[in-house]
Amino acid sequence: TQLLEQSPQFLSIQEGENLTVYCNSSSVFSSLQWYRQEPGEGPVLLVTVVTGGEVKKLKRLTFQFGDARKDSSLHITAAQPGDTGLYLCAGEYGGSQGNLIFGKGTKLSVKP
Amino acid sequence: GAVVSQHPSWVICKSGTSVKIECRSLDFQATTMFWYRQFPKQSLMLMATSNEGSKATYEQGVEKDKFLINHASLTLSTLTVTSAHPEDSSFYICSARADRENGYTFGSGTRLTVV
Repeated sequence: TQLLEQSPQFLSIQEGENLTVYCNSSSVFSSLQWYRQEPGEGPVLLVTVVTGGEVKKLKRLTFQFGDARKDSSLHITAAQPGDTGLYLCAGEYGGSQGNLIFGKGTKLSVKP
Repeated sequence: GAVVSQHPSWVICKSGTSVKIECRSLDFQATTMFWYRQFPKQSLMLMATSNEGSKATYEQGVEKDKFLINHASLTLSTLTVTSAHPEDSSFYICSARADRENGYTFGSGTRLTVV
């Protein structure tokens, strides 16, 4: 059974601070995806990382996939109140159809 | 980009009745769609994989007779919660993927409340 542990579960910081969210597993994933979810809505894809060691940047967000494709991190620089939300990592495993397993999420609150 | 439309966005029903939720891929064909359930303050849990033209694959612990899935076309999958009870109240979300280069696109979710 694949498990994806995401930490921290809750994070409350001041505007301008940096933060890092981690996702770890003992399983190897074919890809790892990061989503952001607003209350009452479905998750929205932020990024997909596929190659071990891959780093992707999306404005102030930096995503990294571990060399062994078992872990990933999301780093936000100079957080803003607009970054507030639920961040979910999801690992894809399996064959051609693919399956996603989600971490429990990180609820981020950025105070002005 | 790929768009998945889910309807209704919320529904309130009486205990014992059935509720159908629709998931449509608007600008791509999806041979496979996925149904998730999310309880308050929890992450998404995969319920079943919906396969066009064949039976759905259910995750362990999910009752196939209670959560009926039909994927009759390449753009539509439906989830019917039969004989709903208050414990079925949850946020149900579907997803699909347009191609392997991209991640999954999720519907906006359906908030089901059984009273």
